[in-house]
Amino acid sequence: AQSVTQLGSHVSVSEGALVLLRCNYSSSVPPYLFWYVQYPNQGLQLLLKYTSAATLVKGINGFEAEFKKSETSFHLTKPSAHMSDAAEYFCAVSGSSGDKLTFGTGTRLAVRP
Amino acid sequence: GAVVSQHPSWVICKSGTSVKIECRSLDFQATTMFWYRQFPKQSLMLMATSNEGSKATYEQGVEKDKFLINHASLTLSTLTVTSAHPEDSSFYICSAHPIAGAYEQYFGPGTRLTVT
Repeated sequence: AQSVTQLGSHVSVSEGALVLLRCNYSSSVPPYLFWYVQYPNQGLQLLLKYTSAATLVKGINGFEAEFKKSETSFHLTKPSAHMSDAAEYFCAVSGSSGDKLTFGTGTRLAVRP
Repeated sequence: GAVVSQHPSWVICKSGTSVKIECRSLDFQATTMFWYRQFPKQSLMLMATSNEGSKATYEQGVEKDKFLINHASLTLSTLTVTSAHPEDSSFYICSAHPIAGAYEQYFGPGTRLTVT
């Protein structure tokens, strides 16, 4: 079984500041981990994924995440926030390719001008 | 590539009627499609997993007789909400997993259902 915990339901940063969204996972098998972004009234867009290759994963829009097995974490970062980054971010885990996803509760990112 | 569409994008129906939502993978074939439900300001809850040509697998607590899922082809899955009630009002999102190559699921844009 898998589960995901996202610490912080709301995160607010200034434009140009570092973005850090936290995700910890629990999995009984080697996990596949994903970060998705959702804009209001839209579906989910994949930002990046970890599939047991490189532990530092680079995604779209300048985001990256590092898989740390010892900490069971997969935190999402971006060096410099942009206003367009304001959205809901979901971390998700699955146990195998094509398996169902288990989502975290989401983190709403606000970017202050 | 890897586009998933949903139709309709929004629908309003009266209590007691049925509503069908379509999920299509436009440029790939999907072995598996998933249906999620999302309440305002909440996460996605998996309702069911659908495989082409076989019965859907429903998550615990989801009424399979109320939420009928048909996966008729490798590019189309439908969710029918039968005898809809106001508490069924929600945002329904589907996703599709390609037959070959990808680890991730691709998500549709969602369907906003309002039952009056």
